[in-house]
Amino acid sequence: EAGVVQSPRYKIIEKKQPVAFWCNPISGHNTLYWYRQNLGQGPELLIRYENEEAVDDSQLPKDRFSAERLKGVDSTLKIQPAELGDSAVYLCASSLDWDNTEAFFGQGTRLTVV
Amino acid sequence: GDSVTQMEGPVTLSEEAFLTINCTYTATGYPSLFWYVQYPGEGLQLLLKATKADDKGSNKGFEATYRKETTSFHLEKGSVQVSDSAVYFCALSGLKTSYDKVIFGPGTSLSVIP
Repeated sequence: EAGVVQSPRYKIIEKKQPVAFWCNPISGHNTLYWYRQNLGQGPELLIRYENEEAVDDSQLPKDRFSAERLKGVDSTLKIQPAELGDSAVYLCASSLDWDNTEAFFGQGTRLTVV
Repeated sequence: GDSVTQMEGPVTLSEEAFLTINCTYTATGYPSLFWYVQYPGEGLQLLLKATKADDKGSNKGFEATYRKETTSFHLEKGSVQVSDSAVYFCALSGLKTSYDKVIFGPGTSLSVIP
């Protein structure tokens, strides 16, 4: 069974440019998470989806970040415009359901803003 | 709020040494507890978990026991190998609210030298 798939693996952009990340969760997993992991730190939740509904986006900087999960499967996370401080690894994870607490992670997208 | 605290790294051990990485948590409910591992250049992987008090999670020679009285979930391994060099994250989840999410500690970097 395929795990959580993210693309691209690496992205380098200039500040003020837009960038998008894509995530395909494990088949059948209703809950999808986007995390940001800064260098030397643990992941921090940006947004959580239950199917196509964003149920926890309190940590998402809404002035420049947006996310969507159309049809409750794949998800995209967008930053526009990117800032130098956005450089981090962006992790996508999925779990079977809201009360199934084991989350499976993708390899992440390493973003460098120059 | 809910949080996870880990011992600071980096930790450097010789091969076959005993490993302990301390983890304590603060939570209002009865969370599940996890250890995730991140090998160099790879994504987060679940190492072990425990879902209720006094449960012991184990995998690949690693163990951790859910201690409700001390709110701890310390990771141990009797004899580490070079291949265990990685960053280890303690995490909790499964809080009985509608905003279920995985909360990570800051991570502890382990280097095992031959």
